[in-house]
Amino acid sequence: SQQGEEDPQALSIQEGENATMNCSYKTSINNLQWYRQNSGRGLVHLILIRSNEREKHSGRLRVTLDTSKKSSSLLITASRAADTASYFCATEHNTDKLIFGTGTRLQVFP
Amino acid sequence: NAGVMQNPRHLVRRRGQEARLRCSPMKGHSHVYWYRQLPEEGLKFMVYLQKENIIDESGMPKERFSAEFPKEGPSILRIQQVVRGDSAAYFCASSQQGTDTQYFGPGTRLTVL
Repeated sequence: SQQGEEDPQALSIQEGENATMNCSYKTSINNLQWYRQNSGRGLVHLILIRSNEREKHSGRLRVTLDTSKKSSSLLITASRAADTASYFCATEHNTDKLIFGTGTRLQVFP
Repeated sequence: NAGVMQNPRHLVRRRGQEARLRCSPMKGHSHVYWYRQLPEEGLKFMVYLQKENIIDESGMPKERFSAEFPKEGPSILRIQQVVRGDSAAYFCASSQQGTDTQYFGPGTRLTVL
């Protein structure tokens, strides 16, 4: 299976702290994307990083990609209660379909 | 510019009935993808379509499931003779030709009684 693994499965932090989530995958990719899903809702696209990029920023989000280790991390700085959600990484390989990881459930306490 | 639209948002069917899920892609998008999400799991790819063509259906169950994206109108995911194991959230995504980002709809939550 090409499905990615995310670590940790669940994470609880206080508002203002940083949250780091990791994603590993198995085969070479064209790009890797991070999505957020609030409970019972659809997915919101957060950021896309291509295989030739190492780091990308978007607001309070920072994504890194290490293709030699086949891993990526998502850092959310200065977390807020509204960041509470499940976060998924998804990889695109030589086809257009996305392969999703198992997700990290983030709980941010006020 | 409206996002990806899916309807219905919730659908309840009894075993043996048919379920039809509709997806209207974002304006200007010609690529449609369907994914299924079981409770507490990530999304699993089902099928990738362009107008009037199925490009990749490697994630579709061999029986009872079909998908289409006609020249006019929304994409349809059809599940015949539903079983309890079909209960899940079904998400549609769309993208522009030549871009990587897929934009997701709110999903249809199918419950089979």
